[in-house]
Amino acid sequence: NAGVTQTPKFRILKIGQSMTLQCTQDMNHNYMYWYRQDPGMGLKLIYYSVGAGITDKGEVPNGYNVSRSTTEDFPLRLELAAPSQTSVYFCASDELGTRMNTEAFFGQGTRLTVV
Amino acid sequence: AQTVTQSQPEMSVQEAETVTLSCTYDTSESDYYLFWYKQPPSRQMILVIRQEAYKQQNATENRFSVNFQKAAKSFSLKISDSQLGDAAMYFCAYRGLYNQGGKLIFGQGTELSVKP
Repeated sequence: NAGVTQTPKFRILKIGQSMTLQCTQDMNHNYMYWYRQDPGMGLKLIYYSVGAGITDKGEVPNGYNVSRSTTEDFPLRLELAAPSQTSVYFCASDELGTRMNTEAFFGQGTRLTVV
Repeated sequence: AQTVTQSQPEMSVQEAETVTLSCTYDTSESDYYLFWYKQPPSRQMILVIRQEAYKQQNATENRFSVNFQKAAKSFSLKISDSQLGDAAMYFCAYRGLYNQGGKLIFGQGTELSVKP
């Protein structure tokens, strides 16, 4: 059982370049999330999805886009990378439903540096 | 909007001793859920313990327990018999019933070091 898999683990981008962070989960969870973690800060929500074809913005969506064509995959697209997007990115999934105390499962993170 | 505050950026504990990590939160909701996550140097986020706000009894998971004070909006984590493997960043997190898609709201984290 792989859980939540993120690729790549590390990446260096030049200002203005674009890239896609991949995220896939094999637990059939409907809920998926993208968070970013800046030094000394907690994780902040970028985008989330409550099921295939449904996505919505979180707290810090500017400069990012997402899509959810399947239950398993939830890629995050960075357009025109900026130094402010240097961060560690986490994808997570959760089964939620009628119970809200469920455990969110996280990928191992992607450390992105924009230079 | 809900907020979560961890006022201790760093804590240190001697191996086999007990340590308490603090967390306070602000919310106008009466029903919600609280979590503690551990992040070791590997960056993997690991659920340590969870608490439902409607439950008065404090949650316990082996050496980990919480002190949940709903009126004070406080949710501290106690680690007993600390082990070297407990060294990590610890995040307190809040989930409200009506938050965006069940998102977690995280505190800033507390870096715990364990001395042998």
